[in-house]
Amino acid sequence: GQSLEQPSEVTAVEGAIVQINCTYQTSGFYGLSWYQQHDGGAPTFLSYNALDGLEETGRFSSFLSRSDSYGYLLLQELQMKDSASYFCATYSSNTGKLIFGQGTTLQVKP
Amino acid sequence: NAGVTQTPKFQVLKTGQSMTLQCAQDMNHNSMYWYRQDPGMGLRLIYYSASEGTTDKGEVPNGYNVSRLNKREFSLRLESAAPSQTSVYFCASRGRQGKGSGELFFGEGSRLTVL
Repeated sequence: GQSLEQPSEVTAVEGAIVQINCTYQTSGFYGLSWYQQHDGGAPTFLSYNALDGLEETGRFSSFLSRSDSYGYLLLQELQMKDSASYFCATYSSNTGKLIFGQGTTLQVKP
Repeated sequence: NAGVTQTPKFQVLKTGQSMTLQCAQDMNHNSMYWYRQDPGMGLRLIYYSASEGTTDKGEVPNGYNVSRLNKREFSLRLESAAPSQTSVYFCASRGRQGKGSGELFFGEGSRLTVL
């Protein structure tokens, strides 16, 4: 099956760095994705890791350790507009399912 | 480029009524998905279609049916709506190769209320 765990809430100040962790159990694990969702909106894709290591896209980076079934999303130089929910998701090559974690609400304070 | 289009955006139903949510994508993607999201919750997979002609159950399929009409379209039907199905429904599609394997493109969502 597939299951993911991530913290429910994180708070940080503007300009800081925050890390959102995700642990997963996924048979046929193929990759870990991250999505951002603002209130009332649709989720939007941030990053994807299929291999171990760090992927960097601007202020956002994502890390994966397949041996530890663990990944994280790193947000640098936080801005107020980064206040949103962040979801990790795993794709199983066995089933074709893409399953989401419960989400982490990030609140950025001035 | 429209991406993923869902209709309707809003719907109010009475318990026991039926309705179909429509979804279409114009990116030539093989895989399509239906999720529901309840307030303050994550997205739960209802049904998915890995390719044209195939559909499979997700995490919460009870009370729903789907049809993959062609490569572009994937509809979700509620045969007899219940208040527990009040939710926001998202359709998404996914490409096949490389980073596309993990990237879903979402529609804007359909907000359904069942009274």
